[in-house]
Amino acid sequence: NAGVTQTPKFQVLKTGQSMTLQCAQDMNHNSMYWYRQDPGMGLRLIYYSASEGTTDKGEVPNGYNVSRLNKREFSLRLESAAPSQTSVYFCASGLWNEQFFGPGTRLTVL
Amino acid sequence: AQSVTQLDSHVSVSEGTPVLLRCNYSSSYSPSLFWYVQHPNKGLQLLLKYTSAATLVKGINGFEAEFKKSETSFHLTKPSAHMSDAAEYFCVVSELGSNYQLIWGAGTKLIIKP
Repeated sequence: NAGVTQTPKFQVLKTGQSMTLQCAQDMNHNSMYWYRQDPGMGLRLIYYSASEGTTDKGEVPNGYNVSRLNKREFSLRLESAAPSQTSVYFCASGLWNEQFFGPGTRLTVL
Repeated sequence: AQSVTQLDSHVSVSEGTPVLLRCNYSSSYSPSLFWYVQHPNKGLQLLLKYTSAATLVKGINGFEAEFKKSETSFHLTKPSAHMSDAAEYFCVVSELGSNYQLIWGAGTKLIIKP
């Protein structure tokens, strides 16, 4: 039972490049979430998916897109990376109001 | 609208002394409240949660928190700090009907002095 897994763990991009962060959960949760964490701040919600086939914007969605591929997988795409997107990205899955987090992806955009 | 304020960005205590991390919240409806811990370069782990049952909530590693509606507070305490408690702690609120979105405080870094 791996819980929530994320790939990659680390990534360096140049401004304007694109990439997709992958997330998968094996807990059969309906809800999945993408957050970013910046120094001195709590986590901020980028997008979430309350159930398979639905996605909604969170607090900071600009510059990102998401896909809920199936119940297990929820990916986050940066179409044209910017230095302001340098951050640590966490995926989570949820059961009611409890969320379980992946180990994070540390992304640097030069 | 929901919000969370962690009153201290850093708290420093000596090993073996009590820990108090303060959190105030704002919520329109009955909130659920959580404390998460993040050790350096690690992921996030749930310490404890309040979901309208007992107001004193016990969590892992000897931590507990008390929900005080009149003070809109959910402070985290531990009677005796251990070196392994050094980490960042986040207070989080979730509101019924919000699709279980979590609103995070900015975090309190707990420093343990030997």
